[in-house]
Amino acid sequence: QQQVKQSPQSLIVQKGGISIINCAYENTAFDYFPWYQQFPGKGPALLIAIRPDVSEKKEGRFTISFNKSAKQFSLHIMDSQPGDSATYFCAAITQGGSEKLVFGKGTKLTVNP
Amino acid sequence: EAQVTQNPRYLITVTGKKLTVTCSQNMNHEYMSWYRQDPGLGLRQIYYSMNVEVTDKGDVPEGYKVSRKEKRNFPLILESPSPNQTSLYFCASSSGPGAGELFFGEGSRLTVL
Repeated sequence: QQQVKQSPQSLIVQKGGISIINCAYENTAFDYFPWYQQFPGKGPALLIAIRPDVSEKKEGRFTISFNKSAKQFSLHIMDSQPGDSATYFCAAITQGGSEKLVFGKGTKLTVNP
Repeated sequence: EAQVTQNPRYLITVTGKKLTVTCSQNMNHEYMSWYRQDPGLGLRQIYYSMNVEVTDKGDVPEGYKVSRKEKRNFPLILESPSPNQTSLYFCASSSGPGAGELFFGEGSRLTVL
């Protein structure tokens, strides 16, 4: 049973454009929502994360928007660059609990020069 | 430098030939886990370990074994590999299952002929 649904599966954006990846979750006990970035040939690494007490978190060109009532969150990459080309995974967890991090299925982002 | 180290990074083997993928972390993490990554299926957890001598099945444990005799090491064993185990494997660690950040190794690409 997939608890975090991620879309789209792949995304092609022109340099300078905005990349948007969406995720939806079901478990209202989740209280921490990280995004992982995976470059080709590398393991995923934490990019940015948000807690449900805020609606938005921004770090540089990366922004997470969070809609608690809709149980949805999204990653926005502003001014997308070819170096942002990677696979992005959203995830969710109840921190401090015994359950593991639940991942979305990933989005392969390609930013064309 | 904090890291999770996997070996080998690349391996081609034949059906039925036992193999072991090693994983070691230097962060004194209690929680370690193995994932496989397949196109369109995202990251699927194979096995995890909460601490030394404590291991449990993840979502896709069939055909795999693990052991945790030391805190830093968590090898993945394929007793009789089959072609459907051709995949990209990742070891990960964290301070606990409920921690928001997983630290991943760089991956081991396995091909079973």
